[in-house]
Amino acid sequence: QVQLVESGGGVVQPGGSLRLSCSGSGFIFSNYGLHWVRRAPGRGLEWMGLVSYDGRDKNYADSVKGRFTVSRDNSKSTVYMQMNSLQEDDTAVYYCARDFFGTAGNVWGQGTLVTVSS
Amino acid sequence: EVVLTQSPGTLSLSPGERATLSCRASQTLSGNFLAWYQQMPGQAPRLLLYVTSSRAPGIPDRFSGSGSGTDFTLTISRLEPEDFAVYYCHQYETSPFTFGPGTKLAFK
Repeated sequence: QVQLVESGGGVVQPGGSLRLSCSGSGFIFSNYGLHWVRRAPGRGLEWMGLVSYDGRDKNYADSVKGRFTVSRDNSKSTVYMQMNSLQEDDTAVYYCARDFFGTAGNVWGQGTLVTVSS
Repeated sequence: EVVLTQSPGTLSLSPGERATLSCRASQTLSGNFLAWYQQMPGQAPRLLLYVTSSRAPGIPDRFSGSGSGTDFTLTISRLEPEDFAVYYCHQYETSPFTFGPGTKLAFK
């Protein structure tokens, strides 16, 4: 069964850090780029970033550039998103999604909730 | 960055009716790298269409897309009860990729 599972969400204080993980199974993980997308409460979807299949190429949304870093370990079939200097505006459900012809495709994780609050 | 504007914000229709959702980009998407997603409450988004008009695997043919340049349209030919959700357009032509604010398709 093809699936992605996110983990690592939780409650963190403003200025704090958190690392999210996205683990894949049921497919050749190292063949696919991975996207991160979030949805804040009461707001729409926001694309966060993309890491290429081999981890060499990374792109980020302007809102998180310099604060968030995406990496991957294909030996563990896992992509990570290190989130630093978290702000209350970063409170959201974070999803990872497998790339499909350049866009976040038809395989998504269930999402992990990050709450930034003092 | 490319800003996407969606209209209307809310569209109230009944099952069996035709829905037309619009998405306008602040810059020309010369490669037509525009996708549409559906999101139900509490669920992950679902990819409907990519490169403007190609249906993702498993998407029924009542969903269709059209457009080019800066103006794009998602059409649902005959609404089913399960189609009432929020729809987002998404450009992946130019980094940073961006989503539109969404159109809520509501029961009339």
